[in-house]
Amino acid sequence: QKEVEQNSGPLSVPEGAIASLNCTYSDRGSQSFFWYRQYSGKSPELIMFIYSNGDKEDGRFTAQLNKASQYVSLLIRDSQPSDSATYLCAVGNQAGTALIFGKGTTLSVSS
Amino acid sequence: NAGVMQNPRHLVRRRGQEARLRCSPMKGHSHVYWYRQLPEEGLKFMVYLQKENIIDESGMPKERFSAEFPKEGPSILRIQQVVRGDSAAYFCASSPPGAGGINEQFFGPGTRLTVL
Repeated sequence: QKEVEQNSGPLSVPEGAIASLNCTYSDRGSQSFFWYRQYSGKSPELIMFIYSNGDKEDGRFTAQLNKASQYVSLLIRDSQPSDSATYLCAVGNQAGTALIFGKGTTLSVSS
Repeated sequence: NAGVMQNPRHLVRRRGQEARLRCSPMKGHSHVYWYRQLPEEGLKFMVYLQKENIIDESGMPKERFSAEFPKEGPSILRIQQVVRGDSAAYFCASSPPGAGGINEQFFGPGTRLTVL
């Protein structure tokens, strides 16, 4: 069974700090990696996607991928209270037909 | 530009009834995916469809669940003879056609199914 693992948290950071969210995956054949944000009672919202090793930056968000270590991370700079949510790591399966989701990390940003 | 649309947003059924959940993908998207999120659980893939074709249904329970995406109209997820364990949030996602692999998927607001 292919798996995606995340620490459930909660991860608590003060406003303005950097939040670091981590994810590991078991399927070495995975080629596509995504981060979604989900507020309580709402649907997942796509934040970032990354396909190649290294870093990808978009505004306050940076996704990092290390395929050799089967590790994906998301950094949120200048964290805001509005960033408080559950962050879901998702990995595309080898067949390219489905996303496999971790259970999510709850982030709490205090003002 | 409308996003992924799902209806109904909330659905209450009694045990043994049928539930029909509808999903209209984003404009220009031809790939539809259904996921289920049980309370305190992660999102689980159920089925991937393109127009008139089921591509991957490996996540669908073998009994009572079916899905379709007809040539015209929305994608339908159908649950027959619902049981209390079917109570969950059902999300539909869509993605644009691509050269292969997984493109980014955009989620609808979900249908919250409650089975009494």
